[in-house]
Amino acid sequence: KNEVEQSPQNLTAQEGEFITINCSYSVGISALHWLQQHPGGGIVSLFMLSSGKKKHGRLIATINIQEKHSSLHITASHPRDSAVYICAVYDMGAQKLVFGQGTRLTINP
Amino acid sequence: KAGVTQTPRYLIKTRGQQVTLSCSPISGHRSVSWYQQTPGQGLQFLFEYFSETQRNKGNFPGRFSGRQFSNSRSEMNVSTLELGDSALYLCASSFESNTEAFFGQGTRLTVV
Repeated sequence: KNEVEQSPQNLTAQEGEFITINCSYSVGISALHWLQQHPGGGIVSLFMLSSGKKKHGRLIATINIQEKHSSLHITASHPRDSAVYICAVYDMGAQKLVFGQGTRLTINP
Repeated sequence: KAGVTQTPRYLIKTRGQQVTLSCSPISGHRSVSWYQQTPGQGLQFLFEYFSETQRNKGNFPGRFSGRQFSNSRSEMNVSTLELGDSALYLCASSFESNTEAFFGQGTRLTVV
C-alpha cells in the first residue's frame, strides 16, 4: 500500500463544475503539498499546508490531520485547469517528500 | 526573482554512458532536492543537498550521485546508464528542507 493515496486517478468534467481531489496518507507528516503538473513536465506548487484550510483564487485546499486526509477543490473549473494534480507529504521519519500517483484532470469546454 | 533552472532540458544517451544534470536554485535557497519521475513509479526522491552536504538519500543504486557547490547549484550524475533510467529528472529548491518547494522544468533523459 502506498504511503500517499490519491483519488480519483482520472477525472473528466465539464467547464464550470466543482472539482474535488482527495489525498490520504499513512505516515507522520509535518506538511502536505498540492502540486500541479502540465504536459511538458514543469511542476508548480499550489499549496503547502499543515492545518486547516487555504484558498487561492478558485482553488481551496483543506487538511484534517487527525484523519490524515486532504482535499483540493477547484470552483468554476476551466479548461486551463486541465493538468495532473499531485499530493505530496513531508514524511517526518524519512525526512523527505513522498508523492501520490497524481490525478489527471481534464476539463472540457 | 529567477526560478529554478535545470539544464539541459532534453538529453539522449546510450546505455553504459554517464550523464550529468545541473540545477540552479532560487537565490537564497540552500536546499536542493532531486526527484525521478517515470510513468510506472511516479515521482520518487533521489537525494537532498543542503549547504554542500547530502542530507538524505532515496532508495536508488550507487550509480546515482550528486553534489552541491558553495553557490547552492547542484549537479546529479548517473553512471553506467541503463534503459530503465529513462525518466524526467526534477530538482526543487527551498529555503529549508520542510518549506515550500519550487520545482524546475526538469530534464528529460532518454537512454537508448
